Amino acid sequence: DQQVKQNSPSLSVQEGRISILNCDYTNSMFDYFLWYKKYPAEGPTFLISISSIKDKNEDGRFTVFLNKSAKHLSLHIVPSQPGDSAVYFCAASAGETSGSRLTFGEGTQLTVNP
Amino acid sequence: EPEVTQTPSHQVTQMGQEVILRCVPISNHLYFYWYRQILGQKVEFLVSFYNNEISEKSEIFDDQFSVERPDGSNFTLKIRSTKLEDSAMYFCASSPGQGWMGNTDTQYFGPGTRLTVL
Repeated sequence: DQQVKQNSPSLSVQEGRISILNCDYTNSMFDYFLWYKKYPAEGPTFLISISSIKDKNEDGRFTVFLNKSAKHLSLHIVPSQPGDSAVYFCAASAGETSGSRLTFGEGTQLTVNP
Repeated sequence: EPEVTQTPSHQVTQMGQEVILRCVPISNHLYFYWYRQILGQKVEFLVSFYNNEISEKSEIFDDQFSVERPDGSNFTLKIRSTKLEDSAMYFCASSPGQGWMGNTDTQYFGPGTRLTVL
């Protein structure tokens, strides 16, 4: 299942700099996109989401950008902090209705160095 | 802050045995889900549940699997006869439902149960 793809398995940035995590999708029916953060031995924690009617959503240090024509979304974290070090998953659902399955990407391991 | 809880955190079983994984979704959430993540692979959807019925299931969710909401708080996943390939992290999730959040609905995940089949 390659409908949601995160091509970078890992990313390393310096504390205080910007982290940019990328995600591509192929299913044009996807219309709700989410980013989750996961620490080892824990479940995915919801970070931020965006509906397909928007191209940007911001929440504190986290901003998600959606480019529907390119079927691409990105998560920007600025400034990055060591506590942000985790695996970040992109997920998507179709139909903006409750109960819809989430399709996940492979995840990107972010390491923020002090 | 309300959270999804799961028990046990780790379950070890013999191949062919039945296991029940338990979840307590967030209170007032209406939709419940099970996902799994086999080591080194993506998180995969298994099933969603609403109003005491399965609303969607994946091709993974065959006759060996069943879900139940036995009371007002618990949500369970049963695997009737476990296979080696069922070894994975199993995540429960819940969401409030469209009426609560407008035209989007965010799923919140529990910490997972690590199932090891020997």
